[in-house]
Amino acid sequence: SQQGEEDPQALSIQEGENATMNCSYKTSINNLQWYRQNSGRGLVHLILIRSNEREKHSGRLRVTLDTSKKSSSLLITASRAADTASYFCATDWSNFGNEKLTFGTGTRLTIIP
Amino acid sequence: DAGVTQSPTHLIKTRGQQVTLRCSPKSGHDTVSWYQQALGQGPQFIFQYYEEEERQRGNFPDRFSGHQFPNYSSELNVNALLLGDSALYLCASSLGLFMNTEAFFGQGTRLTVV
Repeated sequence: SQQGEEDPQALSIQEGENATMNCSYKTSINNLQWYRQNSGRGLVHLILIRSNEREKHSGRLRVTLDTSKKSSSLLITASRAADTASYFCATDWSNFGNEKLTFGTGTRLTIIP
Repeated sequence: DAGVTQSPTHLIKTRGQQVTLRCSPKSGHDTVSWYQQALGQGPQFIFQYYEEEERQRGNFPDRFSGHQFPNYSSELNVNALLLGDSALYLCASSLGLFMNTEAFFGQGTRLTVV
């Protein structure tokens, strides 16, 4: 299976601290996307990083991609209570890109006020 | 700009029945994909529609079928429902098949089979 794995499965930190989540995958990819999901509702798109990119930023989010290690990390700086959610990485490894996404099992992040 | 919209939000069906879920893609998007998310798991790809044709399919039985309309909206149909079909069904839209761009998801339809 191509399914990626997020690490850790669960993370609890104090508000204001930084949170780091990791994602590993198995084969070459076109892109990797990170999503947030609150309480079993829809997925919110956070950031897309393409296979030829190494780092991207969006507000308090920083994503890195290491294709040699087949891994990615998501850093959330200065965490807030509203960041409490499950975070998923999803890889697109199809021949042309944008065909289907394969998700990991997610990291459950809890921000303690 | 409306995002991806799905209906209904919740649904309860009896085992053996049939169900139809609906999705309207984000404005400007022409590709729709469907995913099934069981409790505590990541979403699993069901299939994808582009130009009104099924382009890719995941590891789901033929009981799962779909359709895309000329306005790019889509339906997911599940026949002969099983208890194991209880899940959150997510629709995602994106632009083009070969564009390597973001996929945006709707809020999902929570299906409970009793």
